Amino acid sequence: GQQLNQSPQSMFIQEGEDVSMNCTSSSIFNTWLWYKQDPGEGPVLLIALYKAGELTSNGRLTAQFGITRKDSFLNISASIPSDVGIYFCAGLYTGTASKLTFGTGTRLQVTL
Amino acid sequence: EPEVTQTPSHQVTQMGQEVILRCVPISNHLYFYWYRQILGQKVEFLVSFYNNEISEKSEIFDDQFSVERPDGSNFTLKIRSTKLEDSAMYFCASRGRAGSYEQYFGPGTRLTVT
Repeated sequence: GQQLNQSPQSMFIQEGEDVSMNCTSSSIFNTWLWYKQDPGEGPVLLIALYKAGELTSNGRLTAQFGITRKDSFLNISASIPSDVGIYFCAGLYTGTASKLTFGTGTRLQVTL
Repeated sequence: EPEVTQTPSHQVTQMGQEVILRCVPISNHLYFYWYRQILGQKVEFLVSFYNNEISEKSEIFDDQFSVERPDGSNFTLKIRSTKLEDSAMYFCASRGRAGSYEQYFGPGTRLTVT
């Protein structure tokens, strides 16, 4: 099956620092979504990417759809304590079902 | 802002019992999904549902699982005879019209099978 690996697996940063994480796939997707999950809650959609090479921002978050269509990147600028959580990438190949294949997640810890 | 809701938030059941997990998707959405997440692991696709029928299901979604949209608002997942390994968070998600691929997730139901 399709494998989505995220790196790093976890990261500890200080408040105010910038964060970069990435997601690589064994196969092509034509849409990438990034989600944040807090403990015991559902994934919350952050950014959606629809075209190879596309760069999209949502506040302090910026994500890019890799040109090979097998990877995606998420950057968070000037991190704050509420950025703590697990960040998941999810790829899909559009069709009737358009199921999401989730990555392994990056756990972010922010220290004051 | 419209959101997906799920009930109950936590369900404890004995092995072999039937459970029904309920979801109310966002009101004008057309595509519905169930995913599950075993503690500490990634989210896994179970089933997608469109136009009152299953459009795709994963290997996990065996004969013990079924989905239904009994009325215009609810979307349910039934597990007929629960096993210990069914213990997980179950998330419902929905998306809008064709061409819009953003899926919005509910808060989840934590299922504990003892």
